[in-house]
Order: sequence, then C-alpha cells, then structure tokens
Amino acid sequence: KAGVTQTPRYLIKTRGQQVTLSCSPISGHRSVSWYQQTPGQGLQFLFEYFSETQRNKGNFPGRFSGRQFSNSRSEMNVSTLELGDSALYLCASSNGVFQETQYFGPGTRLLVL
Amino acid sequence: QQQVKQSPQSLIVQKGGISIINCAYENTAFDYFPWYQQFPGKGPALLIAIRPDVSEKKEGRFTISFNKSAKQFSLHIMDSQPGDSATYFCAASKADSWGKFQFGAGTQVVVTP
Repeated sequence: KAGVTQTPRYLIKTRGQQVTLSCSPISGHRSVSWYQQTPGQGLQFLFEYFSETQRNKGNFPGRFSGRQFSNSRSEMNVSTLELGDSALYLCASSNGVFQETQYFGPGTRLLVL
Repeated sequence: QQQVKQSPQSLIVQKGGISIINCAYENTAFDYFPWYQQFPGKGPALLIAIRPDVSEKKEGRFTISFNKSAKQFSLHIMDSQPGDSATYFCAASKADSWGKFQFGAGTQVVVTP
C-alpha cells in the first residue's frame, strides 16, 4: 500500500505571498491531519478533516486554512506568508476512528524569505 | 503552553546500551500516549503506544512505562543500535480530539558504535 504523499517537497516563497500544499492519504483513509514542525515550537496541530468536514482545529491564525476533497486528498493554504511560517508541514492520514494510528507523510519544507 | 514535557533534549548512548526518554503531562483527560520516531527528511512514524489502564507495554526492544498517578510515561530502548539514532517524540491525546495530538519537544538520540 502506498504511503502518504505530499507535494511539493520543497518550496521557497517571499513574505506576503500565499502557498498551497497538497496531501494524498493512504488509500482508504478518510482522515487527514496537518501539523507544523519547527525547531522552536516542535510539532503543532493545525487541523483535521474527515469526509470533507473539518472536525478539529488548532490555535493558528485564520491565514491557515485547509480543505478536503471527496477522494480524501487534502490541501492546506497559507495566505499572506510571514517569515515565521517557515517550517516543515506534515500531514498524517488515518481511518478516522478515534485515536487510531496516524501515518505521516514526509512533509513539505517551506522557506519564507 | 507545552502540555507534554519531554526530557532529555538529546541523548548519546553506546551500542548495546539502554536509552531512556521521559515525558510528563498535565491534562488528566489524556488517555492515549504514543511514541513516534523520526529520521531526517522523513515524517514521524509510530513506534509504540499505551493507554492509562496498562502500566507497561513492550514491543521488541521498545518498552513504554506508564505512571498514571505521577502523570508520567517513558520510553526505554533496550540494546540500542546505531540504526536507532533518530529523534523521538512522545505524544498524548484525549477523547474527541480528532486527529489532534499534543507532542513533546523531541529527544535526539545518537547511538555510537
């Protein structure tokens, strides 16, 4: 079974721009969660989608948004990029059953200049 | 605020030795505690997980010890191997927190030959 895939793997943007990251979950998985990983703050939860609905949300500003499509693929968008948004963005997929194992993708490394 | 505190930040152990990583949590509603292993350039991968009704769980060379009254849990890596060199994260979640895990800051483990 193919793992979680994330595209692109690397991205360089400038302040003020917007960016869209994509995540394809493991086949059959209906839940996708997004995390931001930085050296200073570690892994922080952004949001979780299940069957195209956002079920949970972390404490990030409204510039961070996401969506999920009917095939369970998910996108995350960050508008008006700030230097502090430079991070590794990870998505994880699962069946969506409570506290079931999450499988992480390799992440998208975003650098904001 | 960090809901899961992890220590030490880094650890050097000789091949064949025991690596011990500790985590403490505040929220008594947490009821699922996984450990993740992350190699450079990869997303975190689930190693082992425990629930509060069990005081210890072992899988191969990896053991979780859980102390509910002290709100602490730890990962023991027995017979450490150079291939175990990675960053380890403890995490915690609670009922209805769909996809949301609170992660510790991580411990970088280096196993010397």
